Amino acid sequence: GQSLEQPSEVTAVEGAIVQINCTYQTSGFYGLSWYQQHDGGAPTFLSYNALDGLEETGRFSSFLSRSDSYGYLLLQELQMKDSASYFCAVPNQAGTALIFGKGTTLSVSS
Amino acid sequence: DAEITQSPRHKITETGRQVTLACHQTWNHNNMFWYRQDLGHGLRLIHYSYGVQDTNKGEVSDGYSVSRSNTEDLPLTLESAASSQTSVYFCASSRRRENTGELFFGEGSRLTVL
Repeated sequence: GQSLEQPSEVTAVEGAIVQINCTYQTSGFYGLSWYQQHDGGAPTFLSYNALDGLEETGRFSSFLSRSDSYGYLLLQELQMKDSASYFCAVPNQAGTALIFGKGTTLSVSS
Repeated sequence: DAEITQSPRHKITETGRQVTLACHQTWNHNNMFWYRQDLGHGLRLIHYSYGVQDTNKGEVSDGYSVSRSNTEDLPLTLESAASSQTSVYFCASSRRRENTGELFFGEGSRLTVL
């Protein structure tokens, strides 16, 4: 089966940089996705890495190392509005649907 | 604007009753999914569909069913609601079957089973 591990909580201050790690176990790998979810809201897509390396989108970057079954989401210049839960996800064995980690709650303080 | 909507947003029901949660998307996406979200468990896949008349079981499908009679809708039915099914339910859709990286989620339906 598949499993994903990510820290349950991370705290940081405004303006700082934070890294949220994700390790995964899957028998067929297609790519690693990241989602953001504000309290009470819908998850929204942030990024998708199919190949090794760093993908940058504004203040957010996502990294993947397929040989290590590991990825991370890097958030720079943190703002209060970045306080949310962040989920990593991989496709299931058949590549037909996404399986999510349990999520990391990020708290940004001033 | 195209969108994905869920109804009802909040529902309270009693154990043993049948409940149907609606999901409607206007993107004309073939792929639709139902997840439930519980504290400490993240998002868990219940059922999904790749098109009309296609349905597939996910990780936690027991006690749930779906049907796909058109592209726009994937209703989720709890045949006999149980307290363990108290949860927030999210519907999602995606453009292409092979591109499972990006899902578009609805706003969620909060179900309480008493």
